[in-house]
Amino acid sequence: AQRVTQPEKLLSVFKGAPVELKCNYSYSGSPELFWYVQYSRQRLQLLLRHISRESIKGFTADLNKGETSFHLKKPFAQEEDSAMYYCALSGNFNKFYFGSGTKLNVKP
Amino acid sequence: GAVVSQHPSWVICKSGTSVKIECRSLDFQATTMFWYRQFPKQSLMLMATSNEGSKATYEQGVEKDKFLINHASLTLSTLTVTSAHPEDSSFYICSAQTDSGNTIYFGEGSWLTVV
Repeated sequence: AQRVTQPEKLLSVFKGAPVELKCNYSYSGSPELFWYVQYSRQRLQLLLRHISRESIKGFTADLNKGETSFHLKKPFAQEEDSAMYYCALSGNFNKFYFGSGTKLNVKP
Repeated sequence: GAVVSQHPSWVICKSGTSVKIECRSLDFQATTMFWYRQFPKQSLMLMATSNEGSKATYEQGVEKDKFLINHASLTLSTLTVTSAHPEDSSFYICSAQTDSGNTIYFGEGSWLTVV
């Protein structure tokens, strides 16, 4: 069965510090992995997807099939990065399975 | 950009009544939409896949008679919570898939409180 695990409920870092939000997954096929972000009082929005291999707002994520991980990284966190981050897996038919989310708090 | 709108944003209803939540794709057609629910401080849980012109496909453990889904047009899917109970109180989120299939957009969510 598919599963997405985000072990940290809350991650607090200071502005300018590196940040890594962890995500591990299990899936029997070849999934697509995504990171979604939800800023305060806003809807979920796509941050990045592994097939795009792009950097959005300074964030990157590399799919490691050996470790079944898709950790989200940013070298220098900004206060405006404070939000809820969800790792998601999509298998067949564009169904999404979400992790429990990590709240990132970037302190000034 | 593409927008998915949900209505109402929040609703309070009495136990035993039914409540309908709408999900609209505002500037694109969506043959397929998805419904999720999210309990406080928990993740989004996929409830069902809504297919235009055909029956919805429900995830395991989701009662189809309890959560009625109708996808009558290419821009509208509705979720009706029937005979609502307090434990149905939750945040319901829909998403819509573009007909090209390569992009998903999420609605802003609807808070349901059953009293």
